[in-house]
Amino acid sequence: GAVVSQHPSWVICKSGTSVKIECRSLDFQATTMFWYRQFPKQSLMLMATSNEGSKATYEQGVEKDKFLINHASLTLSTLTVTSAHPEDSSFYICSASPPTGGGNTIYFGEGSWLTVV
Amino acid sequence: QKEVEQDPGPLSVPEGAIVSLNCTYSNSAFQYFMWYRQYSRKGPELLMYTYSSGNKEDGRFTAQVDKSSKYISLFIRDSQPSDSATYLCAFTSGSARQLTFGSGTQLTVLP
Repeated sequence: GAVVSQHPSWVICKSGTSVKIECRSLDFQATTMFWYRQFPKQSLMLMATSNEGSKATYEQGVEKDKFLINHASLTLSTLTVTSAHPEDSSFYICSASPPTGGGNTIYFGEGSWLTVV
Repeated sequence: QKEVEQDPGPLSVPEGAIVSLNCTYSNSAFQYFMWYRQYSRKGPELLMYTYSSGNKEDGRFTAQVDKSSKYISLFIRDSQPSDSATYLCAFTSGSARQLTFGSGTQLTVLP
């Protein structure tokens, strides 16, 4: 079964509103989680690194005030898209790993489809 | 130069064919090499993972890594219609857990 869960799987929101996406590690604690964005027919692009108990680290070109990340516990990170616009419509995916283990222990969530109308 | 180059396809093959998917990379720090399969509107699923040059086989799948050439491949034998998906190569370095992905190759296996 899934070891990383994302919710919601899909969401439609009106332009100008905010949307929150949750990422949970189910079987392990994760001090770090990662958020990716994938536009149609494109690859996954790392948006930010979510750090438990501290500020997220954002990749170049990603607006930290628009994509708010909160990693309040060792099993939950949330991504909030603030004042969403149609160009924010995308597939958002999180990943998490147990503290020990190699690259084969990077687990992805099922993804969340965001459509802004 | 992009950090990872992957032919986006689309690639269409008949059932039973051998499929070859390839990626090149430029970052010498990459130490772990992965192949993910992604079905439409789903999160990526890890298929193969390796950290050394050479071949690694798992069922119908073989991953090949050539660090000297910075080139990795995924071979699928006896391809099935259920293999139709987008295949993504991915890389990471050391203990890092964030991945750098290729653009993905869309594969269709025709029955």
